[in-house]
Amino acid sequence: GENVEQHPSTLSVQEGDSAVIKCTYSDSASNYFPWYKQELGKGPQLIIDIRSNVGEKKDQRIAVTLNKTAKHFSLHITETQPEDSAVYFCAASIRGSGNTGKLIFGQGTTLQVKP
Amino acid sequence: EAQVTQNPRYLITVTGKKLTVTCSQNMNHEYMSWYRQDPGLGLRQIYYSMNVEVTDKGDVPEGYKVSRKEKRNFPLILESPSPNQTSLYFCASSLTPGTGELFFGEGSRLTVL
Repeated sequence: GENVEQHPSTLSVQEGDSAVIKCTYSDSASNYFPWYKQELGKGPQLIIDIRSNVGEKKDQRIAVTLNKTAKHFSLHITETQPEDSAVYFCAASIRGSGNTGKLIFGQGTTLQVKP
Repeated sequence: EAQVTQNPRYLITVTGKKLTVTCSQNMNHEYMSWYRQDPGLGLRQIYYSMNVEVTDKGDVPEGYKVSRKEKRNFPLILESPSPNQTSLYFCASSLTPGTGELFFGEGSRLTVL
C-alpha cells in the first residue's frame, strides 16, 4: 500500500539552530502535504501545508519544500526555540476507497530544543 | 471555540470488557475519523465517516466498531478489547478530507490489561 517515510525519528538541536525533518511518499498522485505538531498531552495541530503546484512555502520561522520528481518534502525550522520541542508528523494525501481523499502519516519525529 | 472532544482521556480496562470512547465535534464537519498512535508507527487510521450513517474501514480496523447516528458524534467501540489495542487514540474531523485541515481531539490513552 501507499506509505510515507519520515526521518529522523528523533532530533536534538541547540536553541537558535535550525532543524530539518524529511519525508518521502510513494503515491505519485499525492497533491497535498501537511505538517502537524503534537505537543505533550495534546492532539496534533496543523502548522503548515503545501500543495503540489508549489515548490516552497514559508510562515515566519517554518518552511516546507516539495520535490515532486523525487517524491519528497521537508520541514525546516529556523532559529529554534524551546517551545518548538514536540513531535512532528508529515502526511501525504492519497485517494482512499470510494474516491474519498485521505491522509497517510509519517512515523513522527521527536524534536528536542535544548536551551 | 471550535473543538473536537474525546472521552475518556485515560482508561485502564481488562481484556474482554467492552468499552466506548466518545467523540464530538462542534464545527459541523461531515468527515470524522479515528486514529491510533503507536511508537514508531505514527498515526494509523482505524475507521472514518463521510457523513451520517456512512462509515468505512481505515487501515487498521480489526477489533473496532464505529457508528455515526448524528453529524457531531462518532464513537469508537471496542467490543472485546485485547492488550494489543493498548494505544493512544485520536478522533479528528475535517471539512475537506485529504485536502484540508484535520482537527484532532486531545487523545484518549487506553491500557488493556
